[in-house]
Amino acid sequence: EAGVAQSPRYKIIEKRQSVAFWCNPISGHATLYWYQQILGQGPKLLIQFQNNGVVDDSQLPKDRFSAERLKGVDSTLKIQPAKLEDSAVYLCASSSDRLQPQHFGDGTRLSIL
Amino acid sequence: TQLLEQSPQFLSIQEGENLTVYCNSSSVFSSLQWYRQEPGEGPVLLVTVVTGGEVKKLKRLTFQFGDARKDSSLHITAAQPGDTGLYLCAGVETSGSRLTFGEGTQLTVNP
Repeated sequence: EAGVAQSPRYKIIEKRQSVAFWCNPISGHATLYWYQQILGQGPKLLIQFQNNGVVDDSQLPKDRFSAERLKGVDSTLKIQPAKLEDSAVYLCASSSDRLQPQHFGDGTRLSIL
Repeated sequence: TQLLEQSPQFLSIQEGENLTVYCNSSSVFSSLQWYRQEPGEGPVLLVTVVTGGEVKKLKRLTFQFGDARKDSSLHITAAQPGDTGLYLCAGVETSGSRLTFGEGTQLTVNP
């Protein structure tokens, strides 16, 4: 079974620029998650989708972060404009449903200059 | 959001030694998970404990969920260099399905 795919693996941008990350979950997985992992910390949930609907986005900084999962499969996470404190690894995870174990991708490492 | 505290934050030991990592909270969780994360990779689930007082063993790793479902521990016997990594505990909140992670314990096992 193919795992969760994320791209790009690395991204370097300047503050105030925009950036987008892409995630392709495991085939058939209805639930998709985006996490932010700052260096030295555990992952923090940004947003959870069930199919193409948002279940939990209470920790998403909505003034600059947005995410979508239009067809209930792939998902994109966007930051506009980026701040220095957004430097982190952005992890995507998926599960067959919200009560099942989550499978993580290898993440996108974002550096803001 | 319910919080989880892990200790120690860093641990460097010699091959063959035993170690214990702790995960504590003032809140009750529905279940608790342990993950291992290696550099440049996502966390990989090791185990899920559900019942208060539950003990699970995975080869040289022993996981325990506290009786009150507020804390957990991971004990590694005869650590090996291949055990090196970031160990994360994560609790499933009672209010829903959100997973709250601890800050992690960076374990280094020296040959």
